[in-house]
Amino acid sequence: SYELTQPPSVSVSPGQTARITCSGDALPKQYAYWYQLKPGQAPVVVIYKDSERPSGIPERFSGSTSGTTVTLTISGVQAEDEADYYCQSADSSGPWVFGGGTKLTVL
Amino acid sequence: QLQVQESGPGLVKPSETLSLTCTVSGGSINSSNSYWGWIRQPPGKGLEWIGSIYYSGSAYYNPSLRSRVTISVDTSKNQFSLKLRSVTAADTALYYCAKENPYGDYALYWGRGTLVTVSS
Repeated sequence: SYELTQPPSVSVSPGQTARITCSGDALPKQYAYWYQLKPGQAPVVVIYKDSERPSGIPERFSGSTSGTTVTLTISGVQAEDEADYYCQSADSSGPWVFGGGTKLTVL
Repeated sequence: QLQVQESGPGLVKPSETLSLTCTVSGGSINSSNSYWGWIRQPPGKGLEWIGSIYYSGSAYYNPSLRSRVTISVDTSKNQFSLKLRSVTAADTALYYCAKENPYGDYALYWGRGTLVTVSS
């Protein structure tokens, strides 16, 4: 079955840049989406269609793609950005697939 | 702004049916090009897509759960529902409902989730 691979954890100091990758064979043909999950809160989509940012999401969140890897970049990380981040895409037959999730720790 | 909220029993016995409802507020579940979905997260694990339903009633399921899952829409109550049959401890999870984008590609608005534990 189709898989998306993320690093389990990323750690950065406040003000630095965090980069979270997501790799999958179908990513050159399918869009990727990124979600932020915090305990007790409703998940939030922070990037859609690889690099589009929804209204209300801070400009420090950006997305990019290169080949079979998409990257979520958080510039000038703030303490409030500490969360789990998941990428999501779909395989050619339609079912959604999520990456394993990356825990972002702000040191 | 549109909101969705999950509700249902927090404890289900093994082999029984898990039933959850998602109530939509701030918008109509029956609006055109509306997809609605269910996603779950077992404790300490990642997200898993369960399935989605179009406002007209056409449903799409994760192949790994298709034999046990039914998602339906009740337009009179502005709700959609999830039924998962023959549950086991592996179905213990935080269950989220969501409003998807008009093409059913991703979850636009999520609920806070409801924890369902499968245990006797």
